[in-house]
Amino acid sequence: EPEVTQTPSHQVTQMGQEVILRCVPISNHLYFYWYRQILGQKVEFLVSFYNNEISEKSEIFDDQFSVERPDGSNFTLKIRSTKLEDSAMYFCASSSTDPQLGTQYFGPGTRLTVL
Amino acid sequence: KNEVEQSPQNLTAQEGEFITINCSYSVGISALHWLQQHPGGGIVSLFMLSSGKKKHGRLIATINIQEKHSSLHITASHPRDSAVYICAADGAGNQFYFGTGTSLTVIP
Repeated sequence: EPEVTQTPSHQVTQMGQEVILRCVPISNHLYFYWYRQILGQKVEFLVSFYNNEISEKSEIFDDQFSVERPDGSNFTLKIRSTKLEDSAMYFCASSSTDPQLGTQYFGPGTRLTVL
Repeated sequence: KNEVEQSPQNLTAQEGEFITINCSYSVGISALHWLQQHPGGGIVSLFMLSSGKKKHGRLIATINIQEKHSSLHITASHPRDSAVYICAADGAGNQFYFGTGTSLTVIP
């Protein structure tokens, strides 16, 4: 069964450093998402992406964040200058259709630790 | 403010019990999702609802659009159902709002 993959599974970085989290969505999916979950807290929506552009973003997704689909398979989340409060589990998800019509498939997550 | 509220926050049940988890939302939605988060952290999508009722195995999800309320039911619960169940509202413009989750423990 096809699945969403994410790398790395765990990333440790120093405050102020740039990090890139990578996701490989399911191959025929068109809608892509990033979420985060701070330890012990609820999942939070960051951004949705369709047709090579951001379709929606939350207040969390400020200028420090960016997303890119650099080729036909990868979907990346970049944090330019990490802060301690960026420490969280980051989940990527993809969907084959408009999310009003179809389910999302989640990756296993990348745990980001900012020291 | 919480756009999505879930209850209960924690639930312990004996194996075989019928379980209900409730979700209320305040935003206009195009769809409502029920997710399962395993103890290891992985997330699985269970249902996506825009009206009525859906059933998958022992899981049933219902939604009442007028009352802005959804329920997730588990029949004949089993210890492997132990997980956090999350309600997520797909609001206007692909903005998602998540509930805080219901932590379910099913005891053998």
